[in-house]
Amino acid sequence: QSALTQPPSASGSPGQSVTIFCTGTSSDVGHYNYVSWYQQYPGKAPKLIIYEVTERPSGVPDRFSGSKSGNTASLTVSGLQAEDEANYYCSSYAGNDNLIFGGGTKLTVL
Amino acid sequence: QVQLVQSGAGVKKPGASVKVSCKSSGYSFTGYYMHWVRQAPGQGPEWMGWINLNSGGTHYVQKFQGWVTMTRDTSISTAYLEMTRLKSDDTAVYYCARGPSRQLVYYFNYWGQGTLVTVSS
Repeated sequence: QSALTQPPSASGSPGQSVTIFCTGTSSDVGHYNYVSWYQQYPGKAPKLIIYEVTERPSGVPDRFSGSKSGNTASLTVSGLQAEDEANYYCSSYAGNDNLIFGGGTKLTVL
Repeated sequence: QVQLVQSGAGVKKPGASVKVSCKSSGYSFTGYYMHWVRQAPGQGPEWMGWINLNSGGTHYVQKFQGWVTMTRDTSISTAYLEMTRLKSDDTAVYYCARGPSRQLVYYFNYWGQGTLVTVSS
């Protein structure tokens, strides 16, 4: 199973919104509503920020939102803050007890 | 609160074996699944499989079958990842991770701090 495709980088100014895309196939992102997003700071473990495409764990600011259209999922960060500068990874269930991740997007707050 | 505390970093020679531990606290250990995820330097995470902490049943990604073994010791609430025949491209940070519920889910809101395994001659 191939990894999900993410742009290597994204950027925005404080207060702006930025959207990160995650492209899979009809066998993973397009087939299951089990897309998750993780935020990771250098040297730290990933932190779950979105699960099941649109759901936010408790404690995650509502500035983070997720959606999906066809084989592409997206993470939108609204009202960008300096602390949002991190790496973001998507993942999707791919059937047959299989989970795949994206290669990651480095978000820079200008 | 749920905590997953992993063993320390190590350097291994190619062909060697390593066993990474993940000690749980703050929840009923046997009620959940533990997943293992690795992340090579500068790369995205790679899911390796899971172990049912109650039954000990396991599921491995095909590329890890035959040389990776996930086990657990319920008496000390610890899960283990053992890898044999290590190669240089197994150099990565290895994480244990758990989902939010007793059901088998494929997203993780609890993570260990990671264990760096370096394979180098």
